[in-house]
This record gives sequence, C-alpha cells and structure tokens, in this order.
Amino acid sequence: DTGVSQNPRHKITKRGQNVTFRCDPISEHNRLYWYRQTLGQGPEFLTYFQNEAQLEKSRLLSDRFSAERPKGSFSTLEIQRTEQGDSAMYLCASSLYSVYGYTFGSGTRLTVV
Amino acid sequence: KNEVEQSPQNLTAQEGEFITINCSYSVGISALHWLQQHPGGGIVSLFMLSSGKKKHGRLIATINIQEKHSSLHITASHPRDSAVYICAVLLLLGNEKLTFGTGTRLTIIP
Repeated sequence: DTGVSQNPRHKITKRGQNVTFRCDPISEHNRLYWYRQTLGQGPEFLTYFQNEAQLEKSRLLSDRFSAERPKGSFSTLEIQRTEQGDSAMYLCASSLYSVYGYTFGSGTRLTVV
Repeated sequence: KNEVEQSPQNLTAQEGEFITINCSYSVGISALHWLQQHPGGGIVSLFMLSSGKKKHGRLIATINIQEKHSSLHITASHPRDSAVYICAVLLLLGNEKLTFGTGTRLTIIP
C-alpha cells in the first residue's frame, strides 16, 4: 500500500468552472476526512466519511461543495462554480480508528484565477 | 479564541540548537497529534499522545493533560528539520475530526 493518494496535485481553474478532486485512502481504512488549508493557516475540517456514509459536514462546506465515497473506497470532492476564495490546499486523510492515528495525503492545491 | 494555540508562530535557529514548540488547548481531548508539513503540502504524522512523553530519534513530545499543554522538542536541530509543525487535537466529545493549530514555521540555518 502506497499510503493516501490524492489527484491531481495541482489544479488551476478559471472562476466559475467546476473541479473534482480524488482521494484514494489506505485500503483497510474505513474513515476518510477532507480538510481545507489556506495560506498560513492550519487545516480546517470539511467532511468525514465512515465507509460510504457521510457522517459530518462542516458549515464551511457550502452548497457548491459535494463529497462522495461510493462503496466506501475512494472519495471525490467536487466544487461547482469555483470562486477565488476556494483557492486552497485540499487535504485528505484516512484512518482505521481515530485512536490509531491518521495518514494524510499530499494534498491538491487549487488555484482559482 | 482558537481551541488550539501554538507558539511561536515562526522560529529561526542555528543548526544544532535545541528547539521547543508549544501547543495549548482549551477543550477536553482524547489525543493530541504533532504533525510535520513540508513545502508542497504533504503532512506527516510525528506523534500521537494521550499522556506522558514519546521519543523518536531526535524528536520528543510531551503532554500535560491537567495543564492542557504539549511541547515538541527537537534536539541537535538540522536544516532538514525546517518545516511547519502543527499541533492537532481529537476532541473528547465523540466526533472524529482533528482540530488544528495554525502551525509553527521552523527554519534551521546551517
């Protein structure tokens, strides 16, 4: 297993376009998390899946954001009608149980121009 | 006020110096994590603590649950230790998500 994989690593998009990011967690991890990190700040929670169920969503996740985890494996995060304020690093992490710790991906850096 | 506060925000030191980064939190937690983030964004988990002290190589992490405080120490610092160090906590009240500090940017000068 190569850890948590995120694609793409970088994405530049024009304002108003839709973008989709993918996260492949460690295969035996049933928990998957999305975080957003803006420059100079710590990551902020966006949403959390246990298997295929989306158990919690942050108020940061506006109606333009949607996340899925079909079949409890990989997850996608889609942003519709991107805005410049969406520019950030989007981080994915997975865990088996929170007490066992987390493994983070390398992130997808989104730039909206 | 953030639930997790780190100090200092930025730290520059000479190679070989002993480094201390502090983390204070204001809520009940079940665990505290120290993470390392290099330019480019990827985050590496260094330690997960719920009590006491852990050591890995030149890194030492301590936590005082009563005082709601943790420290990360680096002995014999090296330029490759230059990174952002982030403290994150797992809240006690049942949810699974980490709450992060804003990070400490460490620069070690040769």
